[in-house]
Amino acid sequence: GNSVTQMEGPVTLSEEAFLTINCTYTATGYPSLFWYVQYPGEGLQLLLKATKADDKGSNKGFEATYRKETTSFHLEKGSVQVSDSAVYFCALSDLNTGGFKTIFGAGTRLFVKA
Amino acid sequence: DSGVTQTPKHLITATGQRVTLRCSPRSGDLSVYWYQQSLDQGLQFLIHYYNGEERAKGNILERFSAQQFPDLHSELNLSSLELGDSALYFCASSPGTSYNEQFFGPGTRLTVL
Repeated sequence: GNSVTQMEGPVTLSEEAFLTINCTYTATGYPSLFWYVQYPGEGLQLLLKATKADDKGSNKGFEATYRKETTSFHLEKGSVQVSDSAVYFCALSDLNTGGFKTIFGAGTRLFVKA
Repeated sequence: DSGVTQTPKHLITATGQRVTLRCSPRSGDLSVYWYQQSLDQGLQFLIHYYNGEERAKGNILERFSAQQFPDLHSELNLSSLELGDSALYFCASSPGTSYNEQFFGPGTRLTVL
């Protein structure tokens, strides 16, 4: 079945460091891919998305490129801030159910130190 | 604020009991999704309703059931509760299918003692 695998956390970085959180997927067809972020005590919110191969999603300095050849959607940011501390989830829309089901990765917790 | 509301925010109950969690989607959204988030299982998809009809089921136990009403709000019913049911339960909504962005509510924290 379809699945999402993302790097285990926690990831601890100093402010202004470069961030990469790896995400790979297994899916039939061409699912839409998403990164969601969950700040402490809150629900998830969409960070960025890409709907087809080679699309780049970007928001708030974060970027991810839909790589069909490597089935990856890695999240990157050039300079993290303390306020980026959160849990990040990679996700895909499961086409097997007509797009009505989203599969989430396990989440990667990021700590950014001042 | 995502526009999705969930009540109650916290719920503490005993094993064997039954509870109902309520979700109101964003205005105009036809889809409602339920998720369970626990420390050891991550975020698990439970069920999806679209305009009152069940469209997809995930890892939802037989003790759990849900429905979406004509006004599009949804309820998740959890019965014969066990300690392991303690978790955060999130509701999300979207205009159509999950090709769209999902908007998550703040969650209901359920504690079963």
